[in-house]
Amino acid sequence: EDKVVQSPLSLVVHEGDTVTLNCSYEVTNFRSLLWYKQEKKAPTFLFMLTSSGIEKKSGRLSSILDKKELFSILNITATQTGDSAVYLCAGDTGGGADGLTFGKGTHLIIQP
Amino acid sequence: GAVVSQHPSWVICKSGTSVKIECRSLDFQATTMFWYRQFPKQSLMLMATSNEGSKATYEQGVEKDKFLINHASLTLSTLTVTSAHPEDSSFYICSASFPAKGAQYFGPGTRLLVL
Repeated sequence: EDKVVQSPLSLVVHEGDTVTLNCSYEVTNFRSLLWYKQEKKAPTFLFMLTSSGIEKKSGRLSSILDKKELFSILNITATQTGDSAVYLCAGDTGGGADGLTFGKGTHLIIQP
Repeated sequence: GAVVSQHPSWVICKSGTSVKIECRSLDFQATTMFWYRQFPKQSLMLMATSNEGSKATYEQGVEKDKFLINHASLTLSTLTVTSAHPEDSSFYICSASFPAKGAQYFGPGTRLLVL
């Protein structure tokens, strides 16, 4: 059975801090790992990672995949209160043709 | 690009009624759409995979006669919750596979409350 585990489950930091969110996966026929940000509604897409060691960056967010260790991290630098959300990672087996297996998410709270 | 809409956003209904939720890809064609369910403080769980022009594939434990899925066109999939009961109250989210990017994009979700 495919499994995605995220840690920590919850994290509270102050504005300006840097955070690292973790995601480990055991996914048969792994194709890619995706990161999403979920606020009050549905998840919004952040990154899709398919290759090991190549960092993807978008503003203050960055992510990297380690296919040998079956692990990914999501970094957020200089956090802002608007970064408060649940961050989900998901394993993909079908390149978009199969449903995703989600982790339980990391609930990130940024305090002013 | 890759915008997915859902309608309605909120539904409150009486037990025993059927509820239909629409999922549309607005600026791309999606041969595959997915339906997820999310209970409070839990992650998204895949319910079914909807392929245009063919029957949906349901995940284990999801009743196909209760959750009817129709994918009539490349931009529209519908989920009908038949004879809804309070335990069906949840957040239902669809996603569409965007072929060019290989990623799934999510609709805004539909909150269903069955009284």
